[in-house]
Amino acid sequence: LAKTTQPISMDSYEGQEVNITCSHNNIATNDYITWYQQFPSQGPRFIIQGYKTKVTNEVASLFIPADRKSSTLSLPRVSLSDTAVYYCLVGDYRDDKIIFGKGTRLHILP
Amino acid sequence: DVKVTQSSRYLVKRTGEKVFLECVQDMDHENMFWYRQDPGLGLRLIYFSYDVKMKEKGDIPEGYSVSREKKERFSLILESASTNQTSMYLCASRTPQQGAGGELFFGEGSRLTVL
Repeated sequence: LAKTTQPISMDSYEGQEVNITCSHNNIATNDYITWYQQFPSQGPRFIIQGYKTKVTNEVASLFIPADRKSSTLSLPRVSLSDTAVYYCLVGDYRDDKIIFGKGTRLHILP
Repeated sequence: DVKVTQSSRYLVKRTGEKVFLECVQDMDHENMFWYRQDPGLGLRLIYFSYDVKMKEKGDIPEGYSVSREKKERFSLILESASTNQTSMYLCASRTPQQGAGGELFFGEGSRLTVL
């Protein structure tokens, strides 16, 4: 898996758009970018995955520039319930050894 | 709905006891994983299995073993529990898929305290 770097923590306010950027300079041609969200005392859950350009679902958007060396998870109009840890993973489907980094701890303030 | 079920949400054991943590998935997934999570350290991979009876060490296998006799069940074993194994243990599964997909599905976690 490609190594990723993301901020350790971020604060934002309710109603704001939050963008979390992940750096992955050594991403390989076949690698996909996947984001997970983890609430306290729960296991992580998948939120979005992409290969290039932009992907959007009901939870978030994922922006990937042409060089794919970074990606940005965008959470529109956050609420207190979006307080969680967000993990960025980069890898190929053949990677069996799936390693998580420390993630970004997002704290939403009222 | 997909489901990964961990047998116990909370366990309290004594030093030296043998501990079994069970994980069952109902999605016919090939791959299964055991992680532990500690404050400030994120999720760390203990062991994973890519098929029945196949297992590979993760980053922190010391003090642990695993068993996968059936496709749906992946067990984590602490042969002799120690206090430094007090942690949250998370099981996950997936089917590797070429292209998009192949995401991990996690259980709710098992919080183990070793006294």
